[in-house]
Amino acid sequence: AQSVTQPDARVTVSEGASLQLRCKYSSSVTPYLFWYVQYPRQGLQLLLKYYSGDPVVQGVNGFEAEFSKSNSSFHLRKASVHWSDSAVYFCAVPSSSFSKLVFGQGTSLSVVP
Amino acid sequence: AQTIHQWPVAEIKAVGSPLSLGCTIKGKSSPNLYWYWQATGGTLQQLFYSITVGQVESVVQLNLSASRPKDDQFILSTEKLLLSHSGFYLCAWSPGLGGTYEQYFGPGTRLTVL
Repeated sequence: AQSVTQPDARVTVSEGASLQLRCKYSSSVTPYLFWYVQYPRQGLQLLLKYYSGDPVVQGVNGFEAEFSKSNSSFHLRKASVHWSDSAVYFCAVPSSSFSKLVFGQGTSLSVVP
Repeated sequence: AQTIHQWPVAEIKAVGSPLSLGCTIKGKSSPNLYWYWQATGGTLQQLFYSITVGQVESVVQLNLSASRPKDDQFILSTEKLLLSHSGFYLCAWSPGLGGTYEQYFGPGTRLTVL
């Protein structure tokens, strides 16, 4: 079964610093992968998606993610974070039947001055 | 452009009372529709999905039911609320047959059961 693991429940970074949020997936085939962001008391917004091709995908607001088949990973990166990036970030993969998305536990990001 | 609307924005209900939450998608025909539940600070748990009018599949049994009365509408309901129903309910859509698999979420409904 498809699954994703986000090993870091909470991450704190200083404003202007670089960011990496980790996501490891488990799949018998090359999966489709997504990153979502959830701001307080809001729904989820799609940040970026990977289907195939270039392993580095660009998303909104300067976010990018890199797919690695050898490491079974899809880490999210940003070169310079802003206080407004404080939110919860979810990695997700479709189930094997494609009837649902399987979400990781989420990583709560705090950007401090 | 597609828009997704959920109602109400928030509800405070008594244990044992009925509940109906709604979701409408505009600008997309024949979408796949989904209901998710999120505990405070938690991950998302899919409850139901639907690929066509009148057809709903249950993913998790939480004493809730769902219906799709129209192509653009998805309803979540129960006749008797439990304390454990408190949380954040999210509706989502995806492009459906032949489309891609990412889902797009609505703004959510916050439910408090007292």
